[in-house]
Amino acid sequence: QVQLQESGPGLVKPSETLSLTCTVSGDSISSYYWSWIRQPPGKGLEWIGYIYYTGSTNYNPSLKSRVTISVDTSKNQFSLKLSSVTAADTAVYYCARDLHITTIRGAQYHMDVWGKGTTVTVSS
Amino acid sequence: EIVLTQSPGTLSLSPGERATLSCRASQSVTSRNLAWYQQKPGQAPRLLIYGASSRATGIPDRFSGSGSGTDFTLTISRLEPEDFAVYYCQQHGSSPPMYTFGQGTKLEIK
Repeated sequence: QVQLQESGPGLVKPSETLSLTCTVSGDSISSYYWSWIRQPPGKGLEWIGYIYYTGSTNYNPSLKSRVTISVDTSKNQFSLKLSSVTAADTAVYYCARDLHITTIRGAQYHMDVWGKGTTVTVSS
Repeated sequence: EIVLTQSPGTLSLSPGERATLSCRASQSVTSRNLAWYQQKPGQAPRLLIYGASSRATGIPDRFSGSGSGTDFTLTISRLEPEDFAVYYCQQHGSSPPMYTFGQGTKLEIK
C-alpha cells in the first residue's frame, strides 16, 4: 500500500528557509495531487498547498508569498520550501495524497493517505 | 474563504454511547467536498468520511456522516475505547480554491 515519509531538518533558524521532502512508496507519484499540511503544537490543522504530478500548484493564500512546492517524479518525491520562517512556523508538517476525483456532479476532494509527520522547530 | 466551526469543543461520553459531532460552515459547502478525519495523540490524521457521507476504506460502519449546505454531522453510533480522539472536518472550496479545516472536537472518555 502507498506510504509517505517526510524528511528534513528538525531545527530551522528564524528568517531562513524551511525545506522538507516527502517520499512516496508503494505507488507512483504520477496521476495524483499531493498536499502539505501543518499543525502547530496543541493546535489544529492548516493546509499549506498542493501540487499535481505535472507541477501545477495551488497554495493557501495566507502562505502563498513564502511557499514553493515542487515535484520530482524520477525520485517519486515532492518537496516544500517555506521562506522567511518565524517561531509561528513551528509545527508538525504532514504530507498527504490528495485525491481530486472527477464525478458526474463535479470534482471531489479529500486526503486519503498521510505521512506520519515531522516536527520542525524555528529557533535560533 | 469558508470558515468551518465545530461543536462542541469537547465532548465527554462513555463507551457504548452515541456521539454526535457538528461542523457548521460560514457559507454553503459542496457536500462532495466535505470530509472528516480522526486524529489520535502523536499520530497523523486518518480519513474517516469523504463526500459528507461515504466511509473511507476500512472505517467501521459505526461511523456515519450526514448533512448538506452549511450543516454537517459526524455520528459514532456506539463508542468503542479506540474512538476517543480529536475529530476534524475539512472542506475544499472553489473561491478561492483551497482547503480549510474546522478547529476540531475532542472526544474524551467520561
